[in-house]
Amino acid sequence: DVKVTQSSRYLVKRTGEKVFLECVQDMDHENMFWYRQDPGLGLRLIYFSYDVKMKEKGDIPEGYSVSREKKERFSLILESASTNQTSMYLCASSYRGRITEAFFGQGTRLTVV
Amino acid sequence: AQKITQTQPGMFVQEKEAVTLDCTYDTSDPSYGLFWYKQPSSGEMIFLIYQGSYDQQNATEGRYSLNFQKARKSANLVISASQLGDSAMYFCAMREGMIKAAGNKLTFGGGTRVLVKP
Repeated sequence: DVKVTQSSRYLVKRTGEKVFLECVQDMDHENMFWYRQDPGLGLRLIYFSYDVKMKEKGDIPEGYSVSREKKERFSLILESASTNQTSMYLCASSYRGRITEAFFGQGTRLTVV
Repeated sequence: AQKITQTQPGMFVQEKEAVTLDCTYDTSDPSYGLFWYKQPSSGEMIFLIYQGSYDQQNATEGRYSLNFQKARKSANLVISASQLGDSAMYFCAMREGMIKAAGNKLTFGGGTRVLVKP
């Protein structure tokens, strides 16, 4: 059974803290994605990566960075968390250059207080 | 500019009836793929159906079919014989540049919430 696993389901952090959201996939996918989901706005792409150490900005990269040191793991970093980063964060992965769907993790609901 | 537009924020449908969810997209790339996902209240994203830009026929998967009109840049999802379990958010998504060497970003629309009434 294919799996994308996010390290936490729920997270509460304080303003100004550095926050790490981890995502691991076991499907040997080249592409990995980080989205945030807010009511009425759908899923907005923050960053994606198509290979180890490669990253591309999505539509809303400000305030975020990412790390992909190993193929199976893609980390989202909030350098200094702010209350407007309170959201649901979804990780996904897919094959590169092949016409297949992306698989999603269960999501991390982050609250910044 | 919005790449994927879903104009219906929410809709009701009677059980056993069909429902059409609208999706329009914008791309200049000749090679792209369109996806529909379902997100129930539990939060997981469930892949439903896929349509490639070069596919000659409209995609179908069980009760789901995709009404693909390339010239109009629309890819509407049709759910036939709605069931109570179809109540969920539905997202349309697009991957462009399928033949690129680099990865292809997957862009989503704002979603449509469907509520099936008994």
